[in-house]
Amino acid sequence: KQEVTQIPAALSVPEGENLVLNCSFTDSAIYNLQWFRQDPGKGLTSLLLIQSSQREQTSGRLNASLDKSSGRSTLYIAASQPGDSATYLCAVPDTGRRALTFGSGTRLQVQP
Amino acid sequence: DTEVTQTPKHLVMGMTNKKSLKCEQHMGHRAMYWYKQKAKKPPELMFVYSYEKLSINESVPSRFSPECPNSSLLNLHLHALQPEDSALYLCASSQARQEIKANYGYTFGSGTRLTVV
Repeated sequence: KQEVTQIPAALSVPEGENLVLNCSFTDSAIYNLQWFRQDPGKGLTSLLLIQSSQREQTSGRLNASLDKSSGRSTLYIAASQPGDSATYLCAVPDTGRRALTFGSGTRLQVQP
Repeated sequence: DTEVTQTPKHLVMGMTNKKSLKCEQHMGHRAMYWYKQKAKKPPELMFVYSYEKLSINESVPSRFSPECPNSSLLNLHLHALQPEDSALYLCASSQARQEIKANYGYTFGSGTRLTVV
């Protein structure tokens, strides 16, 4: 059974810092990995979808990398802003159950 | 249209009530999902529909009854819920695995905040 772990569980940084969120998964036979953002009480917004054949994917200040063989992905946020404060979740499709398995998330707070 | 729309956004119901949550997408996705999310926890899978047929039920109590009337709609019927069922209920959709092996992502709705009193 796929297990997804995210480190750190919470992070507080001053505005302007570059930061890295980590995600690891136990079964490397994944099709892709997806990073989501969730604001309190809200739904999930997809940030980046990185395919198993890709090493990285970029969108604006966000960059996600994927190392399938080691079971790891990182989300890099450049020049963080208070508006980036949210919970960030990584998820992989469970090849057996055919649904997403989520990490427990990283709660980010960016201080102005 | 690249959205999943969920209604209502908020719902308060008594333990003897019957209510329904609705989910709609027009992206041509043939797989749809219900997830339940408690505070400060990741979403937990409840049901998966593929081509309008229930393919996965994650041992969800029968007081939750899903329905997929067509390829664009997904309902979750609620009856005799307990206070511990209070949570954020999320609907999602994706292409079905039979169609494309790898390159599908999941789109989530904004959720229904359910409170059972």
